[in-house]
Amino acid sequence: GQSLEQPSEVTAVEGAIVQINCTYQTSGFYGLSWYQQHDGGAPTFLSYNALDGLEETGRFSSFLSRSDSYGYLLLQELQMKDSASYFCAVREGNTGFQKLVFGTGTRLLVSP
Amino acid sequence: DTEVTQTPKHLVMGMTNKKSLKCEQHMGHRAMYWYKQKAKKPPELMFVYSYEKLSINESVPSRFSPECPNSSLLNLHLHALQPEDSALYLCASSQEAAGADTQYFGPGTRLTVL
Repeated sequence: GQSLEQPSEVTAVEGAIVQINCTYQTSGFYGLSWYQQHDGGAPTFLSYNALDGLEETGRFSSFLSRSDSYGYLLLQELQMKDSASYFCAVREGNTGFQKLVFGTGTRLLVSP
Repeated sequence: DTEVTQTPKHLVMGMTNKKSLKCEQHMGHRAMYWYKQKAKKPPELMFVYSYEKLSINESVPSRFSPECPNSSLLNLHLHALQPEDSALYLCASSQEAAGADTQYFGPGTRLTVL
C-alpha cells in the first residue's frame, strides 16, 4: 500500500534553516511534490521533483532520492510567514493518469 | 488568472438536507478534483474529472455525488450526510490529468453536518 511519512512538527527561529523530510512507499512513482498550507487556507504548490537531485526556487529547495524513496524540503532564511503546514505528495499512477497522494504533513512553527 | 473559486465558504446542514458545493476555474484546465480534509490531516482525494468525465472515484459513499457540467465547473451534491462528513472540502484543477502537472487548489468549503 501507499505510505508517506513526515515529522509531525518542526520548530525554528527567524533567519534559520529547516529541513522537512519525507519518506514514501508507493507504486507507479512519477515524482514528489511539496505543498504549503496556512491555517484556514488552501494548499499551494511549492516544488516538484521528478528526477534525483536538488531543485531550487528562491528560499525553498527540494531534494529527491528515488533509490532511497526519500525527499526533503529545505527552507532558508525563515520568516514568520513560513509558519504553516507542509505536505509532501507523491505523484503516482500510470502513463494515462496520475494522482496525488499526500503525506501526513509537518507543522512548522517559526518564532521570533 | 491562476484562481480556483469555491462557494459557499461555509455550510451548515442537517442530516436530511440536500446541498451543493460549487467550484469554478477559468484557466482552461482539463482536470478537476474534489478532496476532503479533516482537521490536522492531509487532503484525501475523492473524485477526479478529466475532460469532463469522471476518471476516479476513490470509493466515496453515494451520499456524495459529483457533477461536471462543463470544463470550467465542478459541483459536489450532498444528501443525507453524517456528522463525520464534517470537513473542509477542497476543489483543485490541473492542466492535464496525466503528466507532470501542478494542482491549483481553491480556498475550500468548510462543511458542518449537524
